[in-house]
Amino acid sequence: QVQLVQSGAEVKKPGSSVRVSCKASGVTFRRSAFSWVRQAPGPGLEWMGGIIPAYGSGNYAQKFQGRVMITADESASTVYMELSSLRSEDSAVYYCARTYTSGWFGGLGYYHYMDVWGKGTTVTVSS
Amino acid sequence: DIQMTQSPSSLSASVGDRVTITCRASQGISNDLAWYQQKPGKIPKLLIYDVSTLQSGVPSRFSGSGSGTDFTLTISSLQPEDVAIYYCQKYDSVLTFGPGTTVDIK
Repeated sequence: QVQLVQSGAEVKKPGSSVRVSCKASGVTFRRSAFSWVRQAPGPGLEWMGGIIPAYGSGNYAQKFQGRVMITADESASTVYMELSSLRSEDSAVYYCARTYTSGWFGGLGYYHYMDVWGKGTTVTVSS
Repeated sequence: DIQMTQSPSSLSASVGDRVTITCRASQGISNDLAWYQQKPGKIPKLLIYDVSTLQSGVPSRFSGSGSGTDFTLTISSLQPEDVAIYYCQKYDSVLTFGPGTTVDIK
């Protein structure tokens, strides 16, 4: 059974960075894909980016380009999302999700649907 | 970038009603579409992928259809436990969600 266990809630100052982890079990980690999705207070889901550990580098939504980095540690079966230059609008719940993928083409991963989700990590940005 | 829209943004229906939610892509996306359900205070749950394939364990009253730019999620007989926000999502190298449709019981 696939499980994704995320790190605990964070409180950060504006301008700082946050790193959220997501430990996977019950999956072939290297060949899986993982996404990060955030949900600010209220309805709405935003895909931030994804990674296929076998290929190393992530794809990112344009909105977060240059401010987010998604990495994977195969030895720990853990995916990380680091968001920098935090502002109050980044206060949200951040989810990792196992993502079905059709592979890696032209330097980009191709992601499909997200079938297993972590419980979410609340990040609060406040001075 | 391909944009996703949903209509209506919210609806209220009676138990047993047939409910239809529409999702539209700004360009053709073939069959690369999934639907999610998020109940109040819960994490999102995959309902349907590849337009019409029901995820394991999802009740058969849920169904999906469409192709190209226009897609629908149908609940054939609305149940109280279906109160939730429903999101469509397209596949690609960048994933995009629709804005969501809130379903409530009248």
